[in-house]
Amino acid sequence: GNSVTQMEGPVTLSEEAFLTINCTYTATGYPSLFWYVQYPGEGLQLLLKATKADDKGSNKGFEATYRKETTSFHLEKGSVQVSDSAVYFCALSPNQGGKLIFGQGTELSVKP
Amino acid sequence: NAGVTQTPKFQVLKTGQSMTLQCAQDMNHNSMYWYRQDPGMGLRLIYYSASEGTTDKGEVPNGYNVSRLNKREFSLRLESAAPSQTSVYFCASRESGNYGYTFGSGTRLTVV
Repeated sequence: GNSVTQMEGPVTLSEEAFLTINCTYTATGYPSLFWYVQYPGEGLQLLLKATKADDKGSNKGFEATYRKETTSFHLEKGSVQVSDSAVYFCALSPNQGGKLIFGQGTELSVKP
Repeated sequence: NAGVTQTPKFQVLKTGQSMTLQCAQDMNHNSMYWYRQDPGMGLRLIYYSASEGTTDKGEVPNGYNVSRLNKREFSLRLESAAPSQTSVYFCASRESGNYGYTFGSGTRLTVV
């Protein structure tokens, strides 16, 4: 079946450090891939997405590349800020417009 | 503000009590979803409605019922609450053909 696996948290970084949050997936066909962010006390917000192999999604300094050969969609940012502290969810949609399947979430804490 | 509105934000129930979580969106989206969020488990789909007048079970439907009252509103009902239903519940909506979900801010439910 379809599933998403993320690296376990919490991840604690100092401000301006490099961030990588690993995400791998299992899916049949050609899923679309997403990263969502959840700030404390809020709902989830779409951070970025990629809909086909080798696409790179980017937003607010975050990037992720759809790697079909390694079934991965790792999230990266070159220099994190305290305001990036949140929970990050990787998700896939097995088909166009289909239901989202989420990973378990990775909590990021950035210290000044 | 346009978006997804959930009520209530917080609720404490006794085991066996019933309640309905309300969700409304004002973006004219066709599809609506109910998820629950539990620590270490990400978001799991409870029920969804692909369009007005239709509802379908998700991954964890037991103990819940839903009603798609009209295009705007999608409610989730717990007929006899159990401690295992203690969770944060999120409603989301999506426009057909658009991959991005818009999430509400959540309902934190505690069953004692």
